[in-house]
Amino acid sequence: TQLLEQSPQFLSIQEGENLTVYCNSSSVFSSLQWYRQEPGEGPVLLVTVVTGGEVKKLKRLTFQFGDARKDSSLHITAAQPGDTGLYLCAVPRGSNYKLTFGKGTLLTVNP
Amino acid sequence: NAGVTQTPKFQVLKTGQSMTLQCAQDMNHEYMSWYRQDPGMGLRLIHYSVGAGITDQGEVPNGYNVSRSTTEDFPLRLLSAAPSQTSVYFCASTRGEAAYEQYFGPGTRLTVT
Repeated sequence: TQLLEQSPQFLSIQEGENLTVYCNSSSVFSSLQWYRQEPGEGPVLLVTVVTGGEVKKLKRLTFQFGDARKDSSLHITAAQPGDTGLYLCAVPRGSNYKLTFGKGTLLTVNP
Repeated sequence: NAGVTQTPKFQVLKTGQSMTLQCAQDMNHEYMSWYRQDPGMGLRLIHYSVGAGITDQGEVPNGYNVSRSTTEDFPLRLLSAAPSQTSVYFCASTRGEAAYEQYFGPGTRLTVT
């Protein structure tokens, strides 16, 4: 059983549309991170959430950590082609320097 | 500031060959890790290190060895390559135990035939 379930697995939208992707689990976490990975590159951290119910904004991206700290969502407003990439959520495995990743949501934003 | 560097970028091996994937970071981070990324499997932790001279196994350590003689370098060795080790390998580093950012290298794409 996968510790982190990300949905949807694939998402293809038109520029200007809004979207939400999800990262769900039955376990409780001390923190959760979102990374974006572009083709041929390593993941790059977008945000870390640590408090239940926390909402963080990064320009057009809004991240929310569930009240029970079991799940998280990423909402993108007015998506742009530059948002294209693999969005990964990750949680610490016992220690924060050992991460468990979800399988990711592959987002394509078409011009 | 180069961050995390990995060499080579691409590599093709024959079954049974050995090789070392190089990883270096110039941020003086204590913690370094190796992950592999496979389609449909996500990123999985192979080995990690909490400082020079200290290493431990992650989720999928079989077939791989690591050592950490300096803070900067964390090489990953494939002792006898197998087709199941065809993957993209990422090295990462972070500065501490708290929820700090992990910095990833650009990856090594390995094909074993």
